[in-house]
Amino acid sequence: EPEVTQTPSHQVTQMGQEVILRCVPISNHLYFYWYRQILGQKVEFLVSFYNNEISEKSEIFDDQFSVERPDGSNFTLKIRSTKLEDSAMYFCASTGTSLGTQYFGPGTRLLVL
Amino acid sequence: QKEVEQNSGPLSVPEGAIASLNCTYSDRGSQSFFWYRQYSGKSPELIMSIYSNGDKEDGRFTAQLNKASQYVSLLIRDSQPSDSATYLCAVTPGGSEKLVFGKGTKLTVNP
Repeated sequence: EPEVTQTPSHQVTQMGQEVILRCVPISNHLYFYWYRQILGQKVEFLVSFYNNEISEKSEIFDDQFSVERPDGSNFTLKIRSTKLEDSAMYFCASTGTSLGTQYFGPGTRLLVL
Repeated sequence: QKEVEQNSGPLSVPEGAIASLNCTYSDRGSQSFFWYRQYSGKSPELIMSIYSNGDKEDGRFTAQLNKASQYVSLLIRDSQPSDSATYLCAVTPGGSEKLVFGKGTKLTVNP
């Protein structure tokens, strides 16, 4: 069964450093998303991406964040200068249709020291 | 602010019992409704999706949607210890494709 994959599974970085989180969505899906979950809190939407552009973003997704689909398979989230409060689990999700079921990857646990 | 509210629990039921999980949402224009299961440290895993008023059954799970009351529920019949997890209600607000999640209800099924 096709699934969303994410790398790395864990990342530890120093405050101020740049990180890139990678995702491979399900192959025939067209809509891609990033969410995050701070420990003990709810899952929060960051950004949605369709047709090679951002379709929606949350207040969390400020100028420090960017997304890219560099080729036909990868979808990346870049945090330019990490802050302590960026420590969270980051989930990538994809769906084949607008408003369809979003399938989540296993997540990347980011720890900013 | 589009909100999704759930009782955080914990909800504890004996094995074989029915577990009932509830969720309310604030945006009357919401279009799609989902129940996800999340084990500790893992990603959300889809249990059920529901788009129109009424009941939808899939095995031991039944989702119920009442748009007039802005209410979604999930029933788990014949609960098993392996059902012990946090259940997340997620809603797609009107005019958006994002998921807005509730905080989740932690369910424990006791053998």
